[in-house]
Amino acid sequence: GQQLNQSPQSMFIQEGEDVSMNCTSSSIFNTWLWYKQDPGEGPVLLIALYKAGELTSNGRLTAQFGITRKDSFLNISASIPSDVGIYFCAGLRSSGDKLTFGTGTRLAVRP
Amino acid sequence: NAGVTQTPKFQVLKTGQSMTLQCAQDMNHNSMYWYRQDPGMGLRLIYYSASEGTTDKGEVPNGYNVSRLNKREFSLRLESAAPSQTSVYFCASSEAAGGLGETQYFGPGTRLLVL
Repeated sequence: GQQLNQSPQSMFIQEGEDVSMNCTSSSIFNTWLWYKQDPGEGPVLLIALYKAGELTSNGRLTAQFGITRKDSFLNISASIPSDVGIYFCAGLRSSGDKLTFGTGTRLAVRP
Repeated sequence: NAGVTQTPKFQVLKTGQSMTLQCAQDMNHNSMYWYRQDPGMGLRLIYYSASEGTTDKGEVPNGYNVSRLNKREFSLRLESAAPSQTSVYFCASSEAAGGLGETQYFGPGTRLLVL
């Protein structure tokens, strides 16, 4: 089955740096979701995007729904140690379709 | 509200043994899902239940069966465990009825090792 391509696969950054990651697909999605998975836990929804071009923020997190509807981006500003985890994008073509998950971006933050 | 709960948290099985993973949600959601997570593979859908009384196969259903016991509970059964089923299993639920869309809420996961 199709999975969304996320990049980078992993990042190791200094506390205070900004982080950018993206998710791309060869097909169109009408909803994009970003999840974070803390070590040993299940994924937790961070941001949901429903319209092409939409830019949505949640605290230090900002996500964008790409204009082509084939990609989405997540930015984290001023990273802190608790940002550590795996970030997954997920896309939905329609309300009756299955959710497709990305392969994940693993983030490590050095204090 | 506890959200989505899963039991057990950890399990070790021998090849050929059977077991059932339990999942319950207290959000009155209509749809429930079982995923497995393997390194570098993200989350892959095993089975889902769009509403009480219905179940359907996902991307990787082979070797698994499910039961939607009632609106709250959705169990995953391995009849004869194989080493390839070593994984982390996540249950999720969403409000949507009749579909697989919308925001899904995940349980904490069950870590299964098959020897």
